[in-house]
Amino acid sequence: AQKITQTQPGMFVQEKEAVTLDCTYDTSDPSYGLFWYKQPSSGEMIFLIYQGSYDQQNATEGRYSLNFQKARKSANLVISASQLGDSAMYFCAMRRGPGSYQLTFGKGTKLSVIP
Amino acid sequence: GAVVSQHPSWVICKSGTSVKIECRSLDFQATTMFWYRQFPKQSLMLMATSNEGSKATYEQGVEKDKFLINHASLTLSTLTVTSAHPEDSSFYICSASLLRGDSNQPQHFGDGTRLSIL
Repeated sequence: AQKITQTQPGMFVQEKEAVTLDCTYDTSDPSYGLFWYKQPSSGEMIFLIYQGSYDQQNATEGRYSLNFQKARKSANLVISASQLGDSAMYFCAMRRGPGSYQLTFGKGTKLSVIP
Repeated sequence: GAVVSQHPSWVICKSGTSVKIECRSLDFQATTMFWYRQFPKQSLMLMATSNEGSKATYEQGVEKDKFLINHASLTLSTLTVTSAHPEDSSFYICSASLLRGDSNQPQHFGDGTRLSIL
């Protein structure tokens, strides 16, 4: 079964600095996909970035990039030039299996951006 | 694009009341919708997977008779919490996948419903 581990319950970062949020995963499937979502205090889940196991390059979306290390089974989210609005919970998620639409979520990391 | 609307966003009701929560995909057709429950400061827990025109698939430990799910059309799924009690108080959030989309596409989430049972 797939498993997602986020070992950082909380992180602090100075405004305008970069921050890395850790995510490791465990799966026996050769094909898998990893997602990162942001959840502000208001509750909505905002999709940030996706990485496929066969993607040749690390995914990037604006200030978000994914440091994907397949051999180490890690998919860390890097946020560059942090903004106050980045303060939120961040969840790493993984498809349950090849072709599955269901996601397994990690426990999340609460990011606080300090002015 | 890919907007999911969830209603109501917040509800308070008395114990024993049934509460219906709607999840609509506004600008796309959703093959599959998902219902999650989230306790404070915890992760999302999948409750059930809802497919249009068929019965929902519930996760282990989720009471089917307590949490009724209906997915009558490609744009609407509803979750009814029947005879709600204080322990049902939680944050419920739905998501939807594109019709015949590949599973690499992200799930699109509604804004969630905060349910408080007195």
